[in-house]
This record gives sequence, C-alpha cells and structure tokens, in this order.
Amino acid sequence: EDQVTQSPEALRLQEGESSSLNCSYTVSGLRGLFWYRQDPGKGPEFLFTLYSAGEEKEKERLKATLTKKESFLHITAPKPEDSATYLCAVQATGGSYIPTFGRGTSLIVHP
Amino acid sequence: DAGVTQSPTHLIKTRGQQVTLRCSPKSGHDTVSWYQQALGQGPQFIFQYYEEEERQRGNFPDRFSGHQFPNYSSELNVNALLLGDSALYLCASSWGLAGSSTGELFFGEGSRLTVL
Repeated sequence: EDQVTQSPEALRLQEGESSSLNCSYTVSGLRGLFWYRQDPGKGPEFLFTLYSAGEEKEKERLKATLTKKESFLHITAPKPEDSATYLCAVQATGGSYIPTFGRGTSLIVHP
Repeated sequence: DAGVTQSPTHLIKTRGQQVTLRCSPKSGHDTVSWYQQALGQGPQFIFQYYEEEERQRGNFPDRFSGHQFPNYSSELNVNALLLGDSALYLCASSWGLAGSSTGELFFGEGSRLTVL
C-alpha cells in the first residue's frame, strides 16, 4: 500500500526565515510526486511534479527536490502570503493513476 | 477559461439524510474524480468517472455513489449520512484516465458538508 508521510504537521516562521517541509513516501514504483498548495476552505492548487531522484523544480520562493525516499519543499525568505497547507502526493507505477495524498504541512508565516 | 466548479459550497444535513453534490469539470476535461477531505487530513480518493462509468473506487462504502453525465459533469450522492461524513468534498478534473503529462489535477473549491 502506498504511504505518504509529511512533516512537520505545522510550521510557524517569521517573514524571511527560510525552512523546508518534508514528504517521505513508500511506493512499489514511483511514477510521479506532486506538491500542491491549499488555502483554507479552498481546493488544492498544483505546484510541481517530480519524476526521478535528483530532480528539482522551482517557482518563486519555492523549490522542490526529490530523492528515492523523500521530497523536500524548500521555502526561501517566505512572505505572509506563502501561508497555506502544502500537500504532497505520490502516483505509483502500474494501472492506477490515482495519487495518494499526505496529510499536509500547515505553514504560517508571520510578518 | 472556466475552472472546476462545485455546488453547493456549504450545506448542513442531519444524520440519516441524503445529499447530492455537483461538479462541472474544467473546460476540455472529461474525467472527474471525487475526494473527501476531513479537517486536518489530506484528500482521500472516493471514485473516478470517465465515459459515464465509474472507473476506480477508493475504500468507501456503497452509501457513496456517483454519476457522470454526457457533458462530463458529475454528481456525488451520499445516503444515510453519518456524523463522520462531515468533510470538504473535492472534485478534481483531468483529461483522460492518465491525466496530463504532469499528472496535474485541477480541483474545485469544494463543498463543505456538515452532518448534525
């Protein structure tokens, strides 16, 4: 069974204080790993897809990296508008394209 | 370009009642998936519809059923509501069962169901 574990559950940062969110996963074979951002009461919004170990993707203050066992979402010099829940999901090889989501990390950035 | 739209946005029901939630996929998409997201949890896959048929189903009881219409819109029905069914119900759309090359799902803003 595919498993996704995100840590920490919650993270409070001061504006400008860089940090990383972790997503560890267990799948028989990885087709893709996804990061989504979710604002309170809204649906998730796609950020990145990573396919293989060593791959990196960047978007503004966010950078996602991937190893064979985990992914990191690095947030550089965050701003209050980066406050949201960040969800990680994995898509396994095989017949199903349905991703398995983690519980997310709730990020609050204080001004 | 219209994104994924869901209705209603909020609703309150009592135990034992039935509820129907609706979803219109993003323009150009033909596949709809439904997810349940309890407070503080990640989205849990309920089922996926393609070509008006349920193609895959997650670990949810038969009280959860759905339908897809020829215009690709979809409904989620939940019968005999339980307190534990209180959650945000998300609809996600994509093109084809495999989705885009990036695997991206487009989510609606959800329907918040409260069961009293």
